[in-house]
Amino acid sequence: DVKVTQSSRYLVKRTGEKVFLECVQDMDHENMFWYRQDPGLGLRLIYFSYDVKMKEKGDIPEGYSVSREKKERFSLILESASTNQTSMYLCASSFLTSGGLDTQYFGPGTRLTVL
Amino acid sequence: GDSVTQMEGPVTLSEEAFLTINCTYTATGYPSLFWYVQYPGEGLQLLLKATKADDKGSNKGFEATYRKETTSFHLEKGSVQVSDSAVYFCALTSSGGSYIPTFGRGTSLIVHP
Repeated sequence: DVKVTQSSRYLVKRTGEKVFLECVQDMDHENMFWYRQDPGLGLRLIYFSYDVKMKEKGDIPEGYSVSREKKERFSLILESASTNQTSMYLCASSFLTSGGLDTQYFGPGTRLTVL
Repeated sequence: GDSVTQMEGPVTLSEEAFLTINCTYTATGYPSLFWYVQYPGEGLQLLLKATKADDKGSNKGFEATYRKETTSFHLEKGSVQVSDSAVYFCALTSSGGSYIPTFGRGTSLIVHP
């Protein structure tokens, strides 16, 4: 059974802290993604990676960075957490086929609260 | 660029009612189309997909047909259950080698007993 896991389901941090969100997939997917989900705004792409050590900015990269040192692991870093980064964070992975990006597999999400 | 538009919710139905959630898209080329479902407190999971025109995706009693002429991929179910209460996302991926999928805003479905 395919699986994407995220390091925490719930996280509470203080303003200014450095925050690490980890995501691991066991499907050997080349592509991995970080989204944030807020009420009324749907899913917004923060960063994605199409290969080890490769990363591309999504729609809302400000205040975030990422790391992909191994194929199975994609980390999201909040350099200095702020209250407007309180959100649900979702990680996903997928294959790229000749017909385009295939099904995305999502982790359970991390609900981050920044106080 | 690519875009997906789906009906705003919430959609509120009684158990055993018929469900339609509309989804239309704009894309270059021949996209693949997806419906994802997100149950409370969980991540998204694939519900069904279709990769070419006139294909019908189906799963758990849900169906959607890829209509290229109307650029639509409407989700239907003949008889909903309370357990179908969730948020439903329509999405597409382009055939041009793009690494980024495009999602709709999501439609919340609430089914009452």
